[in-house]
Amino acid sequence: RKEVEQDPGPFNVPEGATVAFNCTYSNSASQSFFWYRQDCRKEPKLLMSVYSSGNEDGRFTAQLNRASQYISLLIRDSKLSDSATYLCVVNKSSSNTGKLIFGQGTTLQVKP
Amino acid sequence: DTAVSQTPKYLVTQMGNDKSIKCEQNLGHDTMYWYKQDSKKFLKIMFSYNNKELIINETVPNRFSPKSPDKAHLNLHINSLELGDSAVYFCASSMRGQNYNEQFFGPGTRLTVL
Repeated sequence: RKEVEQDPGPFNVPEGATVAFNCTYSNSASQSFFWYRQDCRKEPKLLMSVYSSGNEDGRFTAQLNRASQYISLLIRDSKLSDSATYLCVVNKSSSNTGKLIFGQGTTLQVKP
Repeated sequence: DTAVSQTPKYLVTQMGNDKSIKCEQNLGHDTMYWYKQDSKKFLKIMFSYNNKELIINETVPNRFSPKSPDKAHLNLHINSLELGDSAVYFCASSMRGQNYNEQFFGPGTRLTVL
């Protein structure tokens, strides 16, 4: 079983749509969770951290369910510029070593 | 203005050669990383240095040797290159402490081994 699993997609949605990505992780000791974004042929960039109580940043909402070891990202009112690969990221263990485990990524294509 | 820079951006070489990739960050971070992203897009950590000390060393062939001359630089030397080494190599940096996991990535070095 992969340490972080995501549906690779692609998700093809029209502009203005709401789209949700899911991710599961295998290590119950993980303490930190993130969504990174990677544009085609570019480097990954931090999109947002994911907190236990859920958190929102503009059109983006992240949720964490520790019991199910499940993370989600919701994008509302999709824009063309949201087209990218979204990487679910988990730290390796409860100790803070900076060792991040990346999912394969979910590709989003927003169409006009 | 470049935060994390890598050179070269592209590297095409023959099997068996030795090559190096350089990374520099001007963010004042104390921790640097090397990642490998293969053709299936999985991004995997290879090494991490904190203040020039190796703190993460994944199961990587010993043909790969990182070197950190100071906390702003982390280079990667690869000996006897193999076809399977073809990938994009990303350098990243972060600051130990609260934002340890917020890592800033360089633009990547696309290595092709022929």
